[in-house]
Amino acid sequence: DQQVKQNSPSLSVQEGRISILNCDYTNSMFDYFLWYKKYPAEGPTFLISISSIKDKNEDGRFTVFLNKSAKHLSLHIVPSQPGDSAVYFCAASSGGSNYKLTFGKGTLLTVNP
Amino acid sequence: DTGVSQDPRHKITKRGQNVTFRCDPISEHNRLYWYRQTLGQGPEFLTYFQNEAQLEKSRLLSDRFSAERPKGSFSTLEIQRTEQGDSAMYLCASSVGILSSPLHFGNGTRLTVT
Repeated sequence: DQQVKQNSPSLSVQEGRISILNCDYTNSMFDYFLWYKKYPAEGPTFLISISSIKDKNEDGRFTVFLNKSAKHLSLHIVPSQPGDSAVYFCAASSGGSNYKLTFGKGTLLTVNP
Repeated sequence: DTGVSQDPRHKITKRGQNVTFRCDPISEHNRLYWYRQTLGQGPEFLTYFQNEAQLEKSRLLSDRFSAERPKGSFSTLEIQRTEQGDSAMYLCASSVGILSSPLHFGNGTRLTVT
């Protein structure tokens, strides 16, 4: 039973446009959500997070939106750059601590010059 | 900040052999985590240490797996009597002891069991 789902295995966008990566979750106990980026042959790198008490968090070009009623979150990257090309993982945890993360399968983002 | 270091990067072993991986966390981080990632999947939680105490283990961590963190510094993950299903990327991460502090992952150890 997959509790965190990233239904799009891949996404391709043009440089300068918006990238929108989606994530759905089923466990209503999740209260903290994160996005990680992963380049080949490297470990995941933390990108941005959001607590369930918020519906939006922004950090530079990256914004995460949380819709608790729909159990859905999304990551917006504006403007997209070729260096953003990587696998993006959505992750969630419960109990106010992010030590035990449940990850989705990831979405491969390709930003074309 | 030298980052989380894992050794070796790659390990090929024959079924039935024992293997041990090492993780050196970021020096000021008192929390250390092990995750496993198989092909096409996201990382899965295995276990977690706060200082030298192992506070939680996943059901994924069978009795063939053992993790230690002596003196609250580096950690080792040992797999005894390896099976082909153990083939995966083993990721170590560390963080400071503050709720909601992000996990910093190492580059992983890729294990192939033949």
